[in-house]
Amino acid sequence: QKEVEQNSGPLSVPEGAIASLNCTYSDRGSQSFFWYRQYSGKSPELIMFIYSNGDKEDGRFTAQLNKASQYVSLLIRDSQPSDSATYLCAVIPVPGTYKYIFGTGTRLKVLA
Amino acid sequence: GAVVSQHPSRVICKSGTSVKIECRSLDFQATTMFWYRQFPKQSLMLMATSNEGSKATYEQGVEKDKFLINHASLTLSTLTVTSAHPEDSSFYICSARRDRRDNEQYFGPGTRLTVT
Repeated sequence: QKEVEQNSGPLSVPEGAIASLNCTYSDRGSQSFFWYRQYSGKSPELIMFIYSNGDKEDGRFTAQLNKASQYVSLLIRDSQPSDSATYLCAVIPVPGTYKYIFGTGTRLKVLA
Repeated sequence: GAVVSQHPSRVICKSGTSVKIECRSLDFQATTMFWYRQFPKQSLMLMATSNEGSKATYEQGVEKDKFLINHASLTLSTLTVTSAHPEDSSFYICSARRDRRDNEQYFGPGTRLTVT
């Protein structure tokens, strides 16, 4: 069974610190990886996607992908209280299907 | 942009009735739309994949006769929950792919269904 795992948290970090969120996946053939942010009672919003090994930066966010170790992470620099939310990792395990498998999400709390 | 809307945002219905939820892509034509369900403190579970002009593909364990999906155009998909029961109460969210080259999904704001 294809699985995506995340630590449910909560992960608490002080304002201004770096928040590090991790995600592991079981299907070695997975090629597309996404990070979404979901505020309580709202739907997910796309933060960024990554397809190749290495780092991808977008503003305060950096996604890191290591296919050999089957993990993808999200770093949030200069964390703000407004970043407090649940962060969902999504993976497309079967290329060409465009179907996501979501992790259970990590709840992040940024303390002012 | 890639804006997806859903209507209604909240609905309360009585057990045994049917409820229709609309999902629209506002500024793009969606090649594929997806329907998810999310229970409290759980992640999103894919219910079905919907392509314009063809039958929806349902995930294992999802009753296609209970959750009717119609993808009438490239900008509209509807989910009808038939003969709703309290256990169907959930947060229903649709998403859309913007382009055949895109893997990203853009999510609607969700519909909170409560069955009494």
